[in-house]
Amino acid sequence: NAGVTQTPKFQVLKTGQSMTLQCAQDMNHNSMYWYRQDPGMGLRLIYYSASEGTTDKGEVPNGYNVSRLNKREFSLRLESAAPSQTSVYFCASSRPSGANVLTFGAGSRLTVL
Amino acid sequence: AQSVTQPDIHITVSEGASLELRCNYSYGATPYLFWYVQSPGQGLQLLLKYFSGDTLVQGIKGFEAEFKRSQSSFNLRKPSVHWSDAAEYFCAVGPGGGAQKLVFGQGTRLTINP
Repeated sequence: NAGVTQTPKFQVLKTGQSMTLQCAQDMNHNSMYWYRQDPGMGLRLIYYSASEGTTDKGEVPNGYNVSRLNKREFSLRLESAAPSQTSVYFCASSRPSGANVLTFGAGSRLTVL
Repeated sequence: AQSVTQPDIHITVSEGASLELRCNYSYGATPYLFWYVQSPGQGLQLLLKYFSGDTLVQGIKGFEAEFKRSQSSFNLRKPSVHWSDAAEYFCAVGPGGGAQKLVFGQGTRLTINP
């Protein structure tokens, strides 16, 4: 099984450009998440989807939108990229039970000039 | 508010030495606690987790962690580190049921001296 797959792995944007990060999981997990990782700040939750058809804001949602396309796919969109959005983005998924654990993708490194 | 503090940003130990990485949390309910490891350029891999029961939990790669409710701590330990343990380590806390909206610590970068 591939687990959690993110595309693209690297992207360079200019300020004001838009882009979408794609995420897909093949583990039949119900919940999916987008985190960003910045030096010295750990990982911070941007948006999550507890189940297909629902999305909710996390700790740092400003400047982002998400779409839970189906049970497998959860995309993150930057409508007008800003240098402050330069970061490494991680998608993760989990089952909705008390013993569930997040499985992470390999990450997408985004640079906004 | 939920929070996780990893007091040590960077730790250097010699190969074969013992290791302890500190994690303190603030959480309103019974916490579900995790340690993840991230090798350079990679995603995060689960080392171990604590939900309930025995407060000393064993994980992969010879790691263990102890939950101490009175100290709000969940420190990670390894008796003898290997060069391959060089990585960044993250402690996280979450609600358990439903969507796992984990709150992560800042991370501790581990360097191993040969």
